[in-house]
Amino acid sequence: QQPVQSPQAVILREGEDAVINCSSSKALYSVHWYRQKHGEAPVFLMILLKGGEQKGHEKISASFNEKKQQSSLYLTASQLSYSGTYFCGTQGGKLIFGQGTELSVKP
Amino acid sequence: NAGVTQTPKFQVLKTGQSMTLQCAQDMNHEYMSWYRQDPGMGLRLIHYSVGAGITDQGEVPNGYNVSRSTTEDFPLRLLSAAPSQTSVYFCATKLTGGLSNQPQHFGDGTRLSIL
Repeated sequence: QQPVQSPQAVILREGEDAVINCSSSKALYSVHWYRQKHGEAPVFLMILLKGGEQKGHEKISASFNEKKQQSSLYLTASQLSYSGTYFCGTQGGKLIFGQGTELSVKP
Repeated sequence: NAGVTQTPKFQVLKTGQSMTLQCAQDMNHEYMSWYRQDPGMGLRLIHYSVGAGITDQGEVPNGYNVSRSTTEDFPLRLLSAAPSQTSVYFCATKLTGGLSNQPQHFGDGTRLSIL
C-alpha cells in the first residue's frame, strides 16, 4: 500500500515555510524523501530511521515517528530552487512511494 | 562513471507491439527496480530484484516481465503493449536490498507512448 502524502499541492512565496506529511498504514522501518524537478529524475534528499531521528539537508529537515507511522518534511525559508514534487518512500523489503506533493515557490 | 543508464529515452509503440526497456548500472548495486510514473499516481513499483537471478513483483506487475541475468542489467519487457501502459518509466538502484538504509539512484527515465 502506498503511503499517503498531504497536502497534494502547495504554493509558497519565497521565504515562507511549508510542511509535507507522509503516513502509512503499515509499520515503517525507515522513510526516504526525494525531490523531482519537472522533466527530471527524482533526487535523493534524506533517509530517516526508527527512533524519531531528525535529519537535515540545506534548510530542509524531516522527522519520523514510527509509533504513529508518520514522517514530516519541513522546508524553512523556502527558495525558488525548492520547487518540485516531493515524494516520501517507505522501506520494507522494497521502496514504495507516495503519490507526491507538488510544491511551487513564487518570487 | 555513468551511474544508471536507461535506453531509449523516448519511444512510441502501437498497441500489441512488444518492447524491452533497458537499464544498466555500473555501481555494482545489488538492488534494481522499475517504477512507472503517471500524473497524480506518484511512482509505482513494477518489479524489483535483490540480486542476479532473483526478481519479485511490485505494486503493478501485470503486463510486464523482468529478468536479472547479470548484476549490471535489469531489462523491463512489455509483451503486448496497451495504451494504459503509456507512462514514464524509471529504473532505480541501490547498493543492497532488504531493510537497507541506502539512497536509491534513479535513471533519467524512458517516456513511452502507446497508440
